[in-house]
Parts: sequence; structure tokens; C-alpha cells
Amino acid sequence: DADVTQTPRNRITKTGKRIMLECSQTKGHDRMYWYRQDPGLGLQLIYYSFDVKDINKGEISDGYSVSRQAQAKFSLSLESAIPNQTALYFCATSDPSREDTQYFGPGTRLTVL
Amino acid sequence: GQNIDQPTEMTATEGAIVQINCTYQTSGFNGLFWYQQHAGEAPTFLSYNVLDGLEEKGRFSSFLSRSKGYSYLLLKELQMKDSASYLCAVSERDDKIIFGKGTRLHILP
Repeated sequence: DADVTQTPRNRITKTGKRIMLECSQTKGHDRMYWYRQDPGLGLQLIYYSFDVKDINKGEISDGYSVSRQAQAKFSLSLESAIPNQTALYFCATSDPSREDTQYFGPGTRLTVL
Repeated sequence: GQNIDQPTEMTATEGAIVQINCTYQTSGFNGLFWYQQHAGEAPTFLSYNVLDGLEEKGRFSSFLSRSKGYSYLLLKELQMKDSASYLCAVSERDDKIIFGKGTRLHILP
């Protein structure tokens, strides 16, 4: 079984809809991250969480919110989706005792029409 | 501010050696990562440098100069499966990870 899972893997939605992307991990890591990737723009950090009670904004948090329901679960929400949020979204975990090497989920491809 | 620069694309020949450079300006510095990402897949960890110098791991080596804000990834004996994007990322003093835009490497037979 994969250590970091994301659901759904693909989603097509319409402008204005609320969308939730979910991430679960079995690695036992406290630290979790959400990134988006657009062609030619690398990975951009949306939000990160260093433990259940800690939530931090990344480079591009506007239009997104997150919830850290448990150590193993970190959800990303788009309250009112817009077309320029069409992208590939990755969840990742890390362990600070192992240099914070990022372990990525398989990604969610989101299309907003 | 934060800035991580790496070439957008590179092309090399199977069996050859290629060096991918990365320069950075960030708010504090813990270390520098290199990740490999095949098209449509998640990035996977290649290396992490904290101290100046060269770290060798099989066909891949990574170099860091903290004073110059410079790193490179060296790939030897290139294989077709090395065709991928290579992402440079910096761990800042507050433990936030910032990624560069990636270098797309094309391997020709």
C-alpha cells in the first residue's frame, strides 16, 4: 500500500463549485504539505502543517483553505473554484529528523471549467 | 526575497555526462534538495546537501557551495530513463521548502 494517498486522482468541476482534495499518510510523519504544479512553474507551496495544531500559509494560499483533521490527514479546499486553479496538486509529508525529505502522494489532477 | 534559478531545459546524449545548475537566494538556509520527476508522476528524492562539497550516490552526484548560493546535480552514464524533470529545492531556516521551476532533461539515443 502507498504511504501517501490522495483522493480523488482526477476531478473536473465547474467555476464556483466547492472542492475538497484529501490526503492521507501512513508514514507517521507530523509534517504535511500541499503544493500545486503548473507546466513550467515547478512546485508552489500552498499550505503546510508541522503538527495537528499548526497551519501555515505558503507562497500561494489565496483562494485555498486547509484542515488538519488528524496526524494522518490533511485536506485542501477550494471554496469557490476558478479556472486558473486548474493544476496538478500534490500532498507531501516529511520527518524533520530525516532532513525534511518530502514524500509525495501520486497527485490530483484538477480541471476547473 | 526568495529566488531559485535553474535552466528550463537541457538535452544530452545517452552514455554522456550532464550537469544541471541551481542558484538560490533565500531567507535563511538549512539545506538543498534535488528531486527527479517523470512526466505525470510525483517527484522522488535524489539528494540532500547541507555542507559544502560533493556528495556522490551511484551515477548521480550533487555539489553545494553555500557561500556562492550554488548547487549542481551531475548525472553520469546517462540512460534513456533519466529523461525527466529535475527539481532543485531549498529548506529555509523556518523549515519551509521552496522549489525551483525545474529543469526538463531530454536524453537522445
